[in-house]
Amino acid sequence: VIWMTQSPSLLSASTGDRVTISCRMSQGISSYLAWYQQKPGKAPELLIYAASTLQSGVPSRFSGSGSGTDFTLTISCLQSEDFATYYCQQYYSFPWTFGQGTKVEIK
Amino acid sequence: QVQLVQSGAEVKKPGSSVKVSCKASGGTFSSYAISWVRQAPGQGLEWMGGIIPIFGTANYAQKFQGRVTITADESTSTAYMELSSLRSEDTAVYYCARELESNYDILTGVFDPWGQGTLVTVSS
Repeated sequence: VIWMTQSPSLLSASTGDRVTISCRMSQGISSYLAWYQQKPGKAPELLIYAASTLQSGVPSRFSGSGSGTDFTLTISCLQSEDFATYYCQQYYSFPWTFGQGTKVEIK
Repeated sequence: QVQLVQSGAEVKKPGSSVKVSCKASGGTFSSYAISWVRQAPGQGLEWMGGIIPIFGTANYAQKFQGRVTITADESTSTAYMELSSLRSEDTAVYYCARELESNYDILTGVFDPWGQGTLVTVSS
């Protein structure tokens, strides 16, 4: 099983801030990494896959980078609708696993 | 635009089974894998397994092997997840999710879209 360490678990930020979320793997996964956003009471939504490919319809202020074991999700200019919980997910090997989540809250 | 609509909330006794459905509309069903992911209250996401309907063979996370059965009915564009020997720790929201891309008989692991979720409560 590939374990994932996502950090921070809680991030307090203001609208307009640039924020970064980290995801570290217990072993290399090439670029088989996705990022999801989840709002309370809702299903997750795909933001980024293949580590850096923006899903259709996702605003360009979201970006992803990294390969191997270290990955980052960046939101360049936080908007009010971005306050949510973010999860990374590896799909390199079974079982597919998710990070513990990062909650982005209003400072 | 593919939409996934899941069955309603369930309350089950410990030791019983639950079967959740996920009906797809608005797109191709048979060649895109459907996975099931659960989320316990206040917790993270956990992949349980997936199936490519046209092939019918499911792939399960070892944690759930022997307790979960994932099936698909091409005639109704509906996927099912049945979990048996329920215990309180199985209380969670269960999501179905279709894979973003189709790759013949290989599960590709990127999920979009997702169903709305089905709350399963296990309580005596």
